[in-house]
Amino acid sequence: DAKTTQPPSMDCAEGRAANLPCNHSTISGNEYVYWYRQIHSQGPQYIIHGLKNNETNEMASLIITEDRKSSTLILPHATLRDTAVYYCIVRSSGSSNTGKLIFGQGTTLQVKP
Amino acid sequence: NAGVTQTPKFRVLKTGQSMTLLCAQDMNHEYMYWYRQDPGMGLRLIHYSVGEGTTAKGEVPDGYNVSRLKKQNFLLGLESAAPSQTSVYFCASSLTRWGGADEQYFGPGTRLTVT
Repeated sequence: DAKTTQPPSMDCAEGRAANLPCNHSTISGNEYVYWYRQIHSQGPQYIIHGLKNNETNEMASLIITEDRKSSTLILPHATLRDTAVYYCIVRSSGSSNTGKLIFGQGTTLQVKP
Repeated sequence: NAGVTQTPKFRVLKTGQSMTLLCAQDMNHEYMYWYRQDPGMGLRLIHYSVGEGTTAKGEVPDGYNVSRLKKQNFLLGLESAAPSQTSVYFCASSLTRWGGADEQYFGPGTRLTVT
């Protein structure tokens, strides 16, 4: 599975959009981009995933560049409850996939009032 | 629908003691996973299971054993606890390994301290 690179920390003002970048330059064709977050002391929570196209759900939007080497998670109106560590994970969906997630260090997002 | 539950929530062990952590899921998921998370670190996979009666090693399996006798339960055992196993343990489950719809659902964690 491809390795990802994320900034260690980011700040965002409450009510503004939070844009969290992720680089995955070695991603291959059958690998999905997943985003999870972990609010302090809790288990990680699934946010969104995508393959090629941009995706949106009730929590966030995922923008994947055309060459798929990077992506951005967008929280449109960040609240204090969005303060968490955000993990970008790339994982294969092919026949050898065992569902394993490889977590990096993630980005600590601090939403400030 | 309780999702993924873990028992116990907290535990303190002495070096050399043994214990079993229980993970249960009520979503009829095929895949289950055990992770550990040390302070300031991301999660690391200990063992996983792709179905009832099957188990496999993850990134950091040494010192742990697992069993999946029933589809809904995944047990993590420490036969002889060591201080290096002080950590927060998370269990997760997912429906299928295929495609992009198999997000993992995590339990609340078990905080284990080995003195």
